[in-house]
Order: sequence, then C-alpha cells, then structure tokens
Amino acid sequence: GESVGLHLPTLSVQEGDNSIINCAYSNSASDYFIWYKQESGKGPQFIIDIRSNMDKRQGQRVTVLLNKTVKHLSLQIAATQPGDSAVYFCAEFNPGGGADGLTFGKGTHLIIQP
Amino acid sequence: GAVVSQHPSRVICKSGTSVKIECRSLDFQATTMFWYRQFPKKSLMLMATSNEGSKATYEQGVEKDKFLINHASLTLSTLTVTSAHPEDSSFYICSARAGQGQFFGPGTRLTVL
Repeated sequence: GESVGLHLPTLSVQEGDNSIINCAYSNSASDYFIWYKQESGKGPQFIIDIRSNMDKRQGQRVTVLLNKTVKHLSLQIAATQPGDSAVYFCAEFNPGGGADGLTFGKGTHLIIQP
Repeated sequence: GAVVSQHPSRVICKSGTSVKIECRSLDFQATTMFWYRQFPKKSLMLMATSNEGSKATYEQGVEKDKFLINHASLTLSTLTVTSAHPEDSSFYICSARAGQGQFFGPGTRLTVL
C-alpha cells in the first residue's frame, strides 16, 4: 500500500502486478508534464510526457493519465518488474514557473516485492 | 532521448579544496543548462541556470562565489564548488533542454571530508 511519512511516500507492489503512482500538481497554467524515474545513485531518467491538450498517453508498459479538472497526474506501470524499483517524480512545466520552468513533485518510492 | 553526461560520477575531497564537475550534452547543443542539488530522499533543488556565453543566474540562497559556473561552449557547462566543506556534500545533477524535453545527467556524488 501507499504511505506518507517523514520520508518519501512508498508504494509496495508484487512483481507482475500493475503499479499506479499518483501526483497532484499545483499550477493550472502548466501545459506540459513529465514523469521521471530515478534509481539509487543516478540522475532522473525521462519516462514519458504528456501535454495539457491530452488526457492519456501510452508508452511501453507505461501510461500517463492527466486530469486537469482536479490537477492530477498518474503513472501506470504494467506488469511491474524488479528493475522498476526506483523513485518516481512527476514534474509540471510552466514557462513562468521559475528559471527551468519545472516544478517537481516530492517523489514516490516504488518497491517491488518478489 | 537526448543524452547528458557528467564527470566525475563520484568525488571525495578534503575540506578547503575546490572541485570541478563537468556537464556535457552529447548529441545536441544546449544554450541553457541547469544545475541541481539533491539531498537524500528529497526532490531536486534548482541551484542555477547556466547560460552559454554569459553569466549564470542563481536561485535565491545559492552563493555564486561558492558555486562557480562556466558555460564556455554549447555542449559543456562546469560547476566548481570552491573551498568545499562537509556541508557541501551532496548529489549534484545537471540537465539540458532539448526541445521542450529536459534531460538529466547521471549525477555526481560529492563527499567532502
């Protein structure tokens, strides 16, 4: 299940199950959203993106859903594998939102159980 | 996607020394690169924007004399941590924009003894 505490929220799933990672974004003017995967000791890796004129986009084993009404973004990972263990960050892009335009979510630690 | 590299991946230095970290865009040119710092179990914190051919712009609270940034070419930005102290120990990550996508380097783990 998902828990929130002093550390990163954690989502623990069984290998082979589907994972759903959620993210609430803050700025209704944001027009582009990105999901990143960060493995321990490595930089963030681009997974999938979606523009605000879409509500769903599919990649290989991953799907991103965007609900602009409630400012919610989710990442679905199908048939979770051990290599999916990582911290997942959502990021919203708003040209007026800082020098890099990106606002990162706090991240979710996905743990895959055998 | 676009590839960004960093060097070194890991560095250990003595307190008081300076450390230079390189960030390269390998298959594209980047007029703008970004430097981030990341603490354990935290999200990325933007430190500064590196602009090719001009001065970097720093986020509030980041000392420009402490973290020197040079962006001398369209594929290379460097971050120099001057007179490093143990509190500067952290994971430093750079990124570069290609189109609307933003791609990150693998990070550099700095440990100051």
